[in-house]
Amino acid sequence: EAGVAQSPRYKIIEKRQSVAFWCNPISGHATLYWYQQILGQGPKLLIQFQNNGVVDDSQLPKDRFSAERLKGVDSTLKIQPAKLEDSAVYLCASSTGTGEFYEQYFGPGTRLTVT
Amino acid sequence: ELKVEQNPLFLSMQEGKNYTIYCNYSTTSDRLYWYRQDPGKSLESLFVLLSNGAVKQEGRLMASLDTKARLSTLHITAAVHDLSATYFCAAFQGAQKLVFGQGTRLTINP
Repeated sequence: EAGVAQSPRYKIIEKRQSVAFWCNPISGHATLYWYQQILGQGPKLLIQFQNNGVVDDSQLPKDRFSAERLKGVDSTLKIQPAKLEDSAVYLCASSTGTGEFYEQYFGPGTRLTVT
Repeated sequence: ELKVEQNPLFLSMQEGKNYTIYCNYSTTSDRLYWYRQDPGKSLESLFVLLSNGAVKQEGRLMASLDTKARLSTLHITAAVHDLSATYFCAAFQGAQKLVFGQGTRLTINP
């Protein structure tokens, strides 16, 4: 079974530029998450989708961040314009959304550096 | 608001020694997760603990959960260098959400 795919793996941009990240979850997983992991910290949830609807985006800085999950499969996360403090690893995770464990499976992440 | 705290945040130990990482969470949660993260890599699931008194073991790692104390522990037995990594615990918040601790960076020296 293929895991969660993310691209690009690395991105370097200047502040005030725009950037987009892509995520393809595990096939059949209804729930998709985007996390921000700043160096030395635990992942922080940015947004959670159930199929193609948003369940929770309370911690998403909506003035600059946006995300969508068209057709309930792939998802993109965009930052426009980027700030220095956005430098982090952006992790995508997916889950079946059912079952006893509610286990989340993580992708390799995109490391963003804003200069 | 659910908060998760780990300690220690940094741990340097000798091979062959035993040690424990602690994970406290602030409000009721009925599931607790442990993940491992190697440098530059993503998170790998280690354990899912579902109930009070749950204990799971895999090799030299053993995790336990005390929901009354809101405490989970990850015990390392006879550490080996390959266990060097950052370990995260995460508590289930409901609505399929996890809240992560800060992570414990474990370094095992020969």
